[in-house]
Amino acid sequence: DTAVSQTPKYLVTQMGNDKSIKCEQNLGHDTMYWYKQDSKKFLKIMFSYNNKELIINETVPNRFSPKSPDKAHLNLHINSLELGDSAVYFCASSQDWGASGVETQYFGPGTRLLVL
Amino acid sequence: QQPVQSPQAVILREGEDAVINCSSSKALYSVHWYRQKHGEAPVFLMILLKGGEQKGHEKISASFNEKKQQSSLYLTASQLSYSGTYFCGTAYGGSNYKLTFGKGTLLTVNP
Repeated sequence: DTAVSQTPKYLVTQMGNDKSIKCEQNLGHDTMYWYKQDSKKFLKIMFSYNNKELIINETVPNRFSPKSPDKAHLNLHINSLELGDSAVYFCASSQDWGASGVETQYFGPGTRLLVL
Repeated sequence: QQPVQSPQAVILREGEDAVINCSSSKALYSVHWYRQKHGEAPVFLMILLKGGEQKGHEKISASFNEKKQQSSLYLTASQLSYSGTYFCGTAYGGSNYKLTFGKGTLLTVNP
């Protein structure tokens, strides 16, 4: 009964490669997010989609491209991977995009990306 | 604007109490508290809304001081299971909701 799931759990790849991370939620939520947590544990939002529409797009290199095929899925594609992309990437979801700022976000287990 | 958490780390013995603070230089709409254990995802603890609400979750409670733009998380009679990194996420309202997380407070509870 996993609420928010991500694949793969671990990803080890060479610099310059292209990779994708997938996220799925079965909570019936309308909003999904991508976060990056670096080695110092700093958790920073990257993107957010509400009902397949991009609503938050932080200052992230163009090499990162999110895609939401439907409300339950949010994928992250990364082109030309760099050493600095090594981090844990978390997907999260909430019932709505919470204009009132009160929506609880539920996090997936994370994808540990290591770029060599 | 990233909220500031203090302390950065705290070590307790089982049964002791702790307070973790989260301060913002900008007017807060809500504060969200999460706990993350090593190698795991952040887990939601509670939300505090402006208006000074104090909410509780078993032996963990929190308050929101609107005047100081600060939230405090209170851990009472700590248990070993409380160990982890505590993050506050702040929301400032407006048309695009997002959480900005603090750098976290590492809590270690020893037997």
